[in-house]
Amino acid sequence: GESVGLHLPTLSVQEGDNSIINCAYSNSASDYFIWYKQESGKGPQFIIDIRSNMDKRQGQRVTVLLNKTVKHLSLQIAATQPGDSAVYFCAVNPTGYSTLTFGKGTMLLVSP
Amino acid sequence: EPEVTQTPSHQVTQMGQEVILRCVPISNHLYFYWYRQILGQKVEFLVSFYNNEISEKSEIFDDQFSVERPDGSNFTLKIRSTKLEDSAMYFCASNPPGTNNEQFFGPGTRLTVL
Repeated sequence: GESVGLHLPTLSVQEGDNSIINCAYSNSASDYFIWYKQESGKGPQFIIDIRSNMDKRQGQRVTVLLNKTVKHLSLQIAATQPGDSAVYFCAVNPTGYSTLTFGKGTMLLVSP
Repeated sequence: EPEVTQTPSHQVTQMGQEVILRCVPISNHLYFYWYRQILGQKVEFLVSFYNNEISEKSEIFDDQFSVERPDGSNFTLKIRSTKLEDSAMYFCASNPPGTNNEQFFGPGTRLTVL
């Protein structure tokens, strides 16, 4: 099976800081990793994904890093803004086209 | 931009009653999912559906749950006899052909069982 954990339930940062949210997974066969953002009262919103054949992927202000050796991935948000305040989930699956296992989430609080 | 929609946004029911939660996935998507999220907890997979049949289900998805795609647009989750512990947010998700699990989530239905 797959268990997914996050290292820190709440992360508080100042506006403009860089934020790093971490996630650990247990199944070394996991092939696909996604970060979702969930704002209060809404469904998860896709942020960025990465496949196991990559170590790093960049989007707009976000970067995902994957360390398969220690089964760890992280989400980096550059120049964090108040609008980034939300709960961030990592989700993994062992192989493509199967179900996602979600972590519990880290609440990111951005103060002005 | 196309999006997954869900109705109702909030459903209140008595324990033992049947509920049907409705979802309209994005029109060209072929894979459909239901997840639930108990308040303050993580999102949990319930079931996936492809080609008019269940492709995977979790331990949570027991005999009181069923899914259906009654027409070309709707995807429903039925809970036959609700229990207090079924109270949660229920999210529908879908993803298109040719991509790998970039699942698009609906806004959710909050189910409250009294």
